[in-house]
Amino acid sequence: TQLLEQSPQFLSIQEGENLTVYCNSSSVFSSLQWYRQEPGEGPVLLVTVVTGGEVKKLKRLTFQFGDARKDSSLHITAAQPGDTGLYLCAGEGGAQKLVFGQGTRLTINP
Amino acid sequence: KAGVTQTPRYLIKTRGQQVTLSCSPISGHRSVSWYQQTPGQGLQFLFEYFSETQRNKGNFPGRFSGRQFSNSRSEMNVSTLELGDSALYLCASSPALAGNTIYFGEGSWLTVV
Repeated sequence: TQLLEQSPQFLSIQEGENLTVYCNSSSVFSSLQWYRQEPGEGPVLLVTVVTGGEVKKLKRLTFQFGDARKDSSLHITAAQPGDTGLYLCAGEGGAQKLVFGQGTRLTINP
Repeated sequence: KAGVTQTPRYLIKTRGQQVTLSCSPISGHRSVSWYQQTPGQGLQFLFEYFSETQRNKGNFPGRFSGRQFSNSRSEMNVSTLELGDSALYLCASSPALAGNTIYFGEGSWLTVV
């Protein structure tokens, strides 16, 4: 069974600080996706990384896929209160369609 | 383009009852997958349907079932409800089985009492 371990599970920081969320697995994934979920809504896709070592940037968010395609990270620069939410990583690579990490509940305090 | 629509949004059921949840995918999307989200277990894959056939299934008991219609709309059913079935049930659609972005609906909140 493929598993994704996401850390930290909870993170509360001040506006303007930087942060990194990690997503690790012992399994190889054909692609890895990052989602953000607001309360009462479904997850919304932020980015998909496919190639080992790939780095993608989305404004203040930087996503990296590990060389071995087993891990990924999400780095947010100068966090803002609007970044508050649940961040989920998900790997695609088997019969289970998407395997999700437990999520990181991020709170940015003004 | 309308998004993924799930109904009902909220429902309360009693232990032992059964429930049916509905999902209308984005127009043109033929793959529909279902996920269960709970605080303890996170998001877990239930099953996926494509062209009216179940293509993949997660590790859930047989009480959880689903189907897909010729218009790609899907339903999932949970029989003999247990308290632990209380969760947000999310439907997602994509154009094909693999290699495409999936789009989630807002979910159906099920509370079992």
